[in-house]
Amino acid sequence: DIQMTQSPSSLSASVGDRVTITCRASQSISSYLNWYQQKPGKAPKLLIYAASSLQSGVPSRFSGSGSGTDFTLTISSLQPEDSGTYYCQQSYSILITFGQGTRLEIK
Amino acid sequence: QVQLQESGPGLVQPSQTLSLTCTVSGGSISSGSPYWSWIRQPAGKGLEWLGRMSTSGSTNYNPSLKSRVTISVDKSKNQFSLKLSSVTAADTAVYYCARDPSSGWPYFDYWGQGALVTVSS
Repeated sequence: DIQMTQSPSSLSASVGDRVTITCRASQSISSYLNWYQQKPGKAPKLLIYAASSLQSGVPSRFSGSGSGTDFTLTISSLQPEDSGTYYCQQSYSILITFGQGTRLEIK
Repeated sequence: QVQLQESGPGLVQPSQTLSLTCTVSGGSISSGSPYWSWIRQPAGKGLEWLGRMSTSGSTNYNPSLKSRVTISVDKSKNQFSLKLSSVTAADTAVYYCARDPSSGWPYFDYWGQGALVTVSS
């Protein structure tokens, strides 16, 4: 299995802050990396696919970068509605795996 | 706009088989040759991919569950289903169905709202 490790596990930031979440794969996954946002009681929502492609309808303050084993999700100017848990997911392997999640709290 | 809706019993007895159905609306389940997946999430925990099926019939399962999980598609009803046998309390989770549009970059663009399944006697 390809293990996905996110950091930090949780963070607290203020509105307007630039926020970065990292995701590391246990082996190279090229750019087969997706990011999701999950609100409590809701299904995950796709934000970024193929490491850096913004899903239609997702605000441009979200961006993704990286390839190989190291990836980042950046929120350029944090908004109150960005609270939630963020997950990375690799699709390089047929056995799809997710990171453990990063809980983002708005101060 | 594609929509997915899970349905099935919310309570399953230990050692029995968990059965869930995902109904796809807003388009044909075969349109674009997508993959249809099941993903689960125990309360307060992360996401676990269980398996997927294409509308051509090919399947892939998580090896950790392979002997217990079966995914099938009923194109006539625009539905796909999950069966998980010999369940235990560890299988208690919210179960999601999701679509991978099979665009060359696998990702899940549409999800159901989730179905809570509790395994208990």
